[in-house]
Amino acid sequence: NAGVTQTPKFQVLKTGQSMTLQCAQDMNHEYMSWYRQDPGMGLRLIHYSVGAGITDQGEVPNGYNVSRSTTEDFPLRLLSAAPSQTSVYFCASRRTGGIVEQFFGPGTRLTVL
Amino acid sequence: DQQVKQNSPSLSVQEGRISILNCDYTNSMFDYFLWYKKYPAEGPTFLISISSIKDKNEDGRFTVFLNKSAKHLSLHIVPSQPGDSAVYFCAANRGSTLGRLYFGRGTQLTVWP
Repeated sequence: NAGVTQTPKFQVLKTGQSMTLQCAQDMNHEYMSWYRQDPGMGLRLIHYSVGAGITDQGEVPNGYNVSRSTTEDFPLRLLSAAPSQTSVYFCASRRTGGIVEQFFGPGTRLTVL
Repeated sequence: DQQVKQNSPSLSVQEGRISILNCDYTNSMFDYFLWYKKYPAEGPTFLISISSIKDKNEDGRFTVFLNKSAKHLSLHIVPSQPGDSAVYFCAANRGSTLGRLYFGRGTQLTVWP
């Protein structure tokens, strides 16, 4: 199992550009989520999904879109990048039954100039 | 409004001594608690968890204690090792396996020789 994979690992954007951060998991987990990590702010939830076709907002959803067309993939779209979106982004997944341990991807470091 | 709080952003401990990381929460509906460890440039990894029906869970050098009346949990690492130097996140889950995880802001642990 590859676990949770994220691409790209690094990305530099100019203000106003759009891009998609990719996330995939091969553990057949129903629950997937996106976090951003900023210095002193911990992990803040952006969006999450409890299954294909179902998504919901977290703490900091503004400026981001998500969709979940398959169990495996959960892409995060930045519609018009802003410097405030400079951060490290983590995708995570877990089962929805039993223990709630969540598995994280390696992260994408995004810089918006 | 942060529901999970880690009030110490950093902790420095000598190798071989005990490390105690603290976490407080405000929501009495939380019924499952987890600790994650994060090294630089990597995603967080699950360390240990505890259900609200217990007050202690042990796994090797790591022990988590839960005091529900005080809404407080702590992670003890004995003995501490330099490889334990990382950011530790406390997280909590509320009442349902579909529920999201609420994270604290993290504590940077440094274990020096």
